[in-house]
Amino acid sequence: NAGVTQTPKFRILKIGQSMTLQCTQDMNHNYMYWYRQDPGMGLKLIYYSVGAGITDKGEVPNGYNVSRSTTEDFPLRLELAAPSQTSVYFCASSFQGRGQPQHFGDGTRLSIL
Amino acid sequence: QQPVQSPQAVILREGEDAVINCSSSKALYSVHWYRQKHGEAPVFLMILLKGGEQKGHEKISASFNEKKQQSSLYLTASQLSYSGTYFCGTGSREAQKLVFGQGTRLTINP
Repeated sequence: NAGVTQTPKFRILKIGQSMTLQCTQDMNHNYMYWYRQDPGMGLKLIYYSVGAGITDKGEVPNGYNVSRSTTEDFPLRLELAAPSQTSVYFCASSFQGRGQPQHFGDGTRLSIL
Repeated sequence: QQPVQSPQAVILREGEDAVINCSSSKALYSVHWYRQKHGEAPVFLMILLKGGEQKGHEKISASFNEKKQQSSLYLTASQLSYSGTYFCGTGSREAQKLVFGQGTRLTINP
């Protein structure tokens, strides 16, 4: 049982480049989330989804886009990468919302230079 | 709004007890607790859904005071494996998402 899988694990981008962070889960969870974690800080919600075709903004959505075409996949798109987007990105999923535990992927460590 | 955790950091000797607090300015529907070790993903510990509810997980337990909009995590007879950063995540009735606190770094020394 793989759980939540994120790819890539590490990536270095140049300013202005774009990329997609992949996230897939095999637990048939309805809810999926993208967080960013800056060094020594807590988790900030970027976007979340309550089911296929439904997404909503979190606390820090600027500079990012998401889509949810299937239950399993929830990719995060960075357009025009900026140094302020250097962070560790975690994808998580839960069966339902705030009343269910969230299962986290191992994270993607992204540096923008 | 982001819940506030206290203390920000605590250093203990193995076998000592610790309490980590999480306070919110908003009415709470749920409180989650997670532990994150350095360089790893957060791992779920427990959820509290009702006011006054207490839950236990080995020697780690938590309480939820709905009226005070607070939760506390209790670690008793701490073990070296308890070291890490503890985060609370709070959920409101209006939204199906969590807001996480800034974390409490717990260091257990032999």
